[in-house]
Amino acid sequence: DAKTTQPPSMDCAEGRAANLPCNHSTISGNEYVYWYRQIHSQGPQYIIHGLKNNETNEMASLIITEDRKSSTLILPHATLRDTAVYYCIVRVDHFGNEKLTFGTGTRLTIIP
Amino acid sequence: DARVTQTPRHKVTEMGQEVTMRCQPILGHNTVFWYRQTMMQGLELLAYFRNRAPLDDSGMPKDRFSAEMPDATLATLKIQPSEPRDSAVYFCASGHRGGGSTDTQYFGPGTRLTVL
Repeated sequence: DAKTTQPPSMDCAEGRAANLPCNHSTISGNEYVYWYRQIHSQGPQYIIHGLKNNETNEMASLIITEDRKSSTLILPHATLRDTAVYYCIVRVDHFGNEKLTFGTGTRLTIIP
Repeated sequence: DARVTQTPRHKVTEMGQEVTMRCQPILGHNTVFWYRQTMMQGLELLAYFRNRAPLDDSGMPKDRFSAEMPDATLATLKIQPSEPRDSAVYFCASGHRGGGSTDTQYFGPGTRLTVL
């Protein structure tokens, strides 16, 4: 699985859009970008994933650059409950290879 | 709202004792994962099962750890004998693979283990 690089921490004002970047310059054509988050003392929570097209769900939007070497997770209207560590994971969605390799993630703090 | 449940939520034990952690995956999920989280190592996969059969346990110390699925509604992770370095939060996650389903893992609340 390709390596990812994320900033260790970010702040965002409550009500504003939080944009979390992730670099994955060695990503290969069949690797997906997944985002999970972990709120303090809880288990990780799936947010969204994508291959090459931008994706949106009820939680967030995922923007993947055309060359697929980086992506941005967007939380459109951040609330205090969005304070968490956000993990960007790149992996092949291969049956029999469901292992998630978590890095150190980005600690996002939402400021009131 | 279907959730993964784990018991116990907290466990304090002494070195050398046996520890058993239990997980109830979401009903209908056919894949179960065990992860461990420490400050030093972060989140790491220990083992996972599909349809109750082990698929990958390469992350698990074989001499003292064992993972099983006695039935589709119960997964267990056992440590015998426990050591202070096993102190961590152990997460269980479940998912469903097959029929074109996406690879999403749903995590439980974790078991916080302290070995004195």
